[in-house]
Amino acid sequence: RKEVEQDPGPFNVPEGATVAFNCTYSNSASQSFFWYRQDCRKEPKLLMSVYSSGNEDGRFTAQLNRASQYISLLIRDSKLSDSATYLCAVTGSYGNKLVFGAGTILRVKS
Amino acid sequence: GAVVSQHPSWVICKSGTSVKIECRSLDFQATTMFWYRQFPKQSLMLMATSNEGSKATYEQGVEKDKFLINHASLTLSTLTVTSAHPEDSSFYICSASTGTGFNYGYTFGSGTRLTVV
Repeated sequence: RKEVEQDPGPFNVPEGATVAFNCTYSNSASQSFFWYRQDCRKEPKLLMSVYSSGNEDGRFTAQLNRASQYISLLIRDSKLSDSATYLCAVTGSYGNKLVFGAGTILRVKS
Repeated sequence: GAVVSQHPSWVICKSGTSVKIECRSLDFQATTMFWYRQFPKQSLMLMATSNEGSKATYEQGVEKDKFLINHASLTLSTLTVTSAHPEDSSFYICSASTGTGFNYGYTFGSGTRLTVV
């Protein structure tokens, strides 16, 4: 089983739609959780960290469910510029090694 | 904010030659640097973790004699792909971690696209 799993998509949605991604992780002792955005042929950019209490940044909301070992990302009012690959990343139980999921492709169309 | 400068951004080399990729932390000290590789349409795969002044820790399946990592200072880590072959063609990215305990942040370099011909 992979350490971090994501649905690769692609998710094709119209502008203005709400879209949600999930990501599951296998290490129950993982401590830190992140969502990154990666544009084609570029390095990943941090979108947001994910906390147990949930956190929101504008149109983006992230949730963590430790009991079920998954994290989610909700994007409201999708924009064309949101088109990218969204990677979830999780640290291990010891140290700060960051492990990425395979990424979910989002395509927002007009 | 923290910046990691990675270069070259792209390189084309002949099969059998070696290529060195550098990552520098510009305004902070990177005690730990991670090296990732990303093949087309795949995710970032961690290759190794390097700590300043000590030997790198390689992930399973990564050849330490082929991918030489040096982290001689708190601001510079290098990855050398030795005797490169076409199957080593990939996108290589470094990432420096900052923070302590479980409060980590990660700053990524801009990546190096390696093509071996």
